[in-house]
Amino acid sequence: DSGVTQTPKHLITATGQRVTLRCSPRSGDLSVYWYQQSLDQGLQFLIHYYNGEERAKGNILERFSAQQFPDLHSELNLSSLELGDSALYFCASSVGWGVEQYFGPGTRLTVT
Amino acid sequence: KNEVEQSPQNLTAQEGEFITINCSYSVGISALHWLQQHPGGGIVSLFMLSSGKKKHGRLIATINIQEKHSSLHITASHPRDSAVYICAVGGGADGLTFGKGTHLIIQP
Repeated sequence: DSGVTQTPKHLITATGQRVTLRCSPRSGDLSVYWYQQSLDQGLQFLIHYYNGEERAKGNILERFSAQQFPDLHSELNLSSLELGDSALYFCASSVGWGVEQYFGPGTRLTVT
Repeated sequence: KNEVEQSPQNLTAQEGEFITINCSYSVGISALHWLQQHPGGGIVSLFMLSSGKKKHGRLIATINIQEKHSSLHITASHPRDSAVYICAVGGGADGLTFGKGTHLIIQP
């Protein structure tokens, strides 16, 4: 158990819908990273928050957004969902950046 | 942008064999990570290294910064080692850049 929690574990929704994925980092970790794992693209970095502020963006679509709250949990919002958004979404937390990251169990999103 | 290449893509071996997985990257880095992903999907960090060699149990990771190359070795392999092993670089503010992974199957 990494100490990072993600909810929900599974999510099935229809095209065009909007969903919110939640991540709670390990106690004391200030950084939250979001990653997407799909069959065709593999694992890719989406966005990084540190202590409530956005630090870096990766291959995140404009339909996707994220935020980190004062209690340091983070939410990833996915809107106008398409079939191609079906993937495993992981968050990872760390004390800062440039150090070991601890991954959550992931949320499996299926868009039908 | 850093390109991360892993080899082999797939590896099947017998229990007890010595396993080597290779990773090369195109741009100099501050750190390289080895991750393990089991069939259930969860990702576990095995090593983070920036130079030399690290050992944890039957796992050994090495890195050659000049050659931009790292290897992950598993000694006395066991069926429970069957998983996808992923090499990743970076992990700074810009997150990790991942290789495509090596699917390892250890047969009893």
